[in-house]
Order: sequence, then C-alpha cells, then structure tokens
Amino acid sequence: DQQVKQNSPSLSVQEGRISILNCDYTNSMFDYFLWYKKYPAEGPTFLISISSIKDKNEDGRFTVFLNKSAKHLSLHIVPSQPGDSAVYFCAASASSRKLSFGAGTTVTVRA
Amino acid sequence: SAVISQKPSRDICQRGTSLTIQCQVDSQVTMMFWYRQQPGQSLTLIATANQGSEATYESGFVIDKFPISRPNLTFSTLTVSNMSPEDSSIYLCSVDWDRVFNEQFFGPGTRLTVL
Repeated sequence: DQQVKQNSPSLSVQEGRISILNCDYTNSMFDYFLWYKKYPAEGPTFLISISSIKDKNEDGRFTVFLNKSAKHLSLHIVPSQPGDSAVYFCAASASSRKLSFGAGTTVTVRA
Repeated sequence: SAVISQKPSRDICQRGTSLTIQCQVDSQVTMMFWYRQQPGQSLTLIATANQGSEATYESGFVIDKFPISRPNLTFSTLTVSNMSPEDSSIYLCSVDWDRVFNEQFFGPGTRLTVL
C-alpha cells in the first residue's frame, strides 16, 4: 500500500512564478519528511526536510509546510527557475529510518 | 554529505543471468540502503545493509533473488539473480549520513535492462 502519495504527476509553471507541490501520507507514525529532486540519469538529490515538531521550514527559494492534522505537506518554490525542471519526490520516515517515497511530480518550468 | 559512486552505471543483460552492482562511499557509514525504481514508478526499498550483519529485506524481496554483501563501512554490493525482464529498473544505493535526522544521500543509480 502506498503510504506516501503525490497525486499530481506533473506540474507546469512559468519562470518566476511559484511552484506548489503537494504530498499526502497515511501513516501517523511518520515523524520526518523530506523532498528530493531528481534529474534524468542521476540519483535523487536531497532538497529540504521537516520534522513533525515543526510546521514550516525554509531554505532559500524552497519552503516546506507540514499540516499534521491533515497528514499533508507541500513544497513551495519561489521564484521558479528553468533549472528547477525535474522530478520531485516526497518521502517520509519513522523511527526505523527507512524512507517511503511518493510517486513523484514532474515539474516543468517554462521560460 | 557523502560522495557515492555506483558501478556499472548501466547494463543490458540476458534473461537468466545475474548482475552484481557495486556501491562505494567516500566515508564510513553505518547504514546503507538499496532501492529499486521501476519505469514510471517511485523508489522502493529493497533492503537495509549494515556492516557485520545480515541485510534486512522488505516485504516482497528475498535474499535468494537479491543477495547483498556489506564487507566494510564504505562498500556494499547488490546482486540481481536469475534476471527476467521484470527486473529492468534503476537500482540505487543510499547512505544514512546524518545521525540525527534521516537525510539519506543517493548514488547515481545503475540502469539495468533485461532482454
């Protein structure tokens, strides 16, 4: 069963605008959440994370929001740049330190 | 962060054969993980490889099909045995670098095609 879900397989956004990627999870034991970015023919690259004790974490253009009651997190990229075009994976872990991944969202930033 | 390399980067194999994938890390790490990404799918954890102990396999994956070695703290191998076309995937190793938070870092992956 898919414990981490990214329901939007793709997102197209204009350069300079905001990209919002969404992720839902079902396992209430998850206490740490991560976003990874993946280019073709490369491994996933860690982007940003958030602990369940927080509701927001910001790193430059990237902000992750966590809504524990809704079991929902989102990644905001502002402003979007052409180099942001990639597949973005949401992941979650509990105390076992094993990661469960969503299916990914392909972001295309249009010039 | 750790620098992780994998060999081979890609391979095309015949049905029924086996392929061993190597993962090398530039620093000593306790936990290493092996994932599979089938075409159009997400990353699925195959097993956790800890040095000095047997690998721990996830549901749906067995040691006979995916034997793993972890001879030291910087190296691991994953073998895909008796391959079939359904094993065509990208295989990735990762390490659990941060002792406080689970921020795994990934190798570049091995793209396997089975004919």
